[in-house]
Amino acid sequence: GESVGLHLPTLSVQEGDNSIINCAYSNSASDYFIWYKQESGKGPQFIIDIRSNMDKRQGQRVTVLLNKTVKHLSLQIAATQPGDSAVYFCAENRRDNDMRFGAGTRLTVKP
Amino acid sequence: GAGVSQSPRYKVAKRGQDVALRCDPISGHVSLFWYQQALGQGPEFLTYFQNEAQLDKSGLPSDRFFAERPEGSVSTLKIQRTQQEDSAVYLCASSPGQGMNTEAFFGQGTRLTVV
Repeated sequence: GESVGLHLPTLSVQEGDNSIINCAYSNSASDYFIWYKQESGKGPQFIIDIRSNMDKRQGQRVTVLLNKTVKHLSLQIAATQPGDSAVYFCAENRRDNDMRFGAGTRLTVKP
Repeated sequence: GAGVSQSPRYKVAKRGQDVALRCDPISGHVSLFWYQQALGQGPEFLTYFQNEAQLDKSGLPSDRFFAERPEGSVSTLKIQRTQQEDSAVYLCASSPGQGMNTEAFFGQGTRLTVV
């Protein structure tokens, strides 16, 4: 399943499928990006980050892709599990102490 | 503790009341941030400390909001004469380096409800 971030704030996928969450960022000068996962009643949890000198970075079951030409960021989750259900935020670092968060995408994993 | 700790977890305040929200960052972390998160939205930056110095308070919505970190560790966010629009979750985050260009660790937040 795939979302387009602000235009489709919810994404529902079947357990075991791959998920793609998209995000458009606004500042071409941003040089650092992070994906956070936020479960209900908890603070955001770091998932993966990427700097502007890279276009792809992989973690455990997650991959972040950065397209600076169109200012687009995506998070791919492989073999989505029920524990992945949460709200996912992309965040861009505009300057050292200003991390701007997007509105978030709610991912629901159906068993 | 192992992570960022915030207290109280929940606070109900009557309009006009003053509140104080506490953040215990991860020991040794240089940077500390406060964010405000309205229901259904992403966190919004409020203020940033590097050790005890408040280097950026551009996100504080009004002069009713005040933050301090006097010894470079625990921080307190104070809201004076609370109003209903102050109702939100207040998140604290800390990071080992300077600024937000390395991984930051968030607390669970304090949910403030102004009635």
